[in-house]
Amino acid sequence: GEDVEQSLFLSVREGDSSVINCTYTDSSSTYLYWYKQEPGAGLQLLTYIFSNMDMKQDQRLTVLLNKKDKHLSLRIADTQTGDSAIYFCAEDAGNNRKLIWGLGTSLGVNP
Amino acid sequence: DAGVIQSPRHEVTEMGQEVTLRCKPISGHNSLFWYRQTMMRGLELLIYFNNNVPIDDSGMPEDRFSAKMPNASFSTLKIQPSEPRDSAVYFCASALEANSPLHFGNGTRLTVT
Repeated sequence: GEDVEQSLFLSVREGDSSVINCTYTDSSSTYLYWYKQEPGAGLQLLTYIFSNMDMKQDQRLTVLLNKKDKHLSLRIADTQTGDSAIYFCAEDAGNNRKLIWGLGTSLGVNP
Repeated sequence: DAGVIQSPRHEVTEMGQEVTLRCKPISGHNSLFWYRQTMMRGLELLIYFNNNVPIDDSGMPEDRFSAKMPNASFSTLKIQPSEPRDSAVYFCASALEANSPLHFGNGTRLTVT
């Protein structure tokens, strides 16, 4: 069935780049999303990429999509302590609006 | 805009009691979603509405759960009777239209003892 997988934890030093990876199974996905969840809050849309794109850059965020390998990554340049959060990958698996979610990657940033 | 507003933020209740969670979507958004988040299962879509009409409720765990959207600015998720395994964070999200990105509320943390 449809599945989205992410590693559960990532730890980086402040100022380094963070790369959060995600793999998905549904090749018919139209959009792929990255959401951020801070403690006690809801999920906040960070960025998304259309499936016919390979890369999207938005300030410190770079999204790379490899459709052949069904691999999505989020790179955060110059990671700050405020970037500590859980990052969710999700794919839009079609018109029924059932986003398929990963379990989230908890990013810890060490000073 | 104030964003998606959920109430209450926290709810503690005893097993067997009725629980009602409330959501006010962003004005102008036509789609509304109810999600449940737990450590074990992550985010689960319970039900979603488009133009106030339930489109897919296949994620609703069982008959104890029901959701309504009487108008474009209000939705409720009711659990009756509640059980300890219902303890989770319940999120409401809205979207401009069916294929638009979701905007989440801050959630209701439900604890059933």
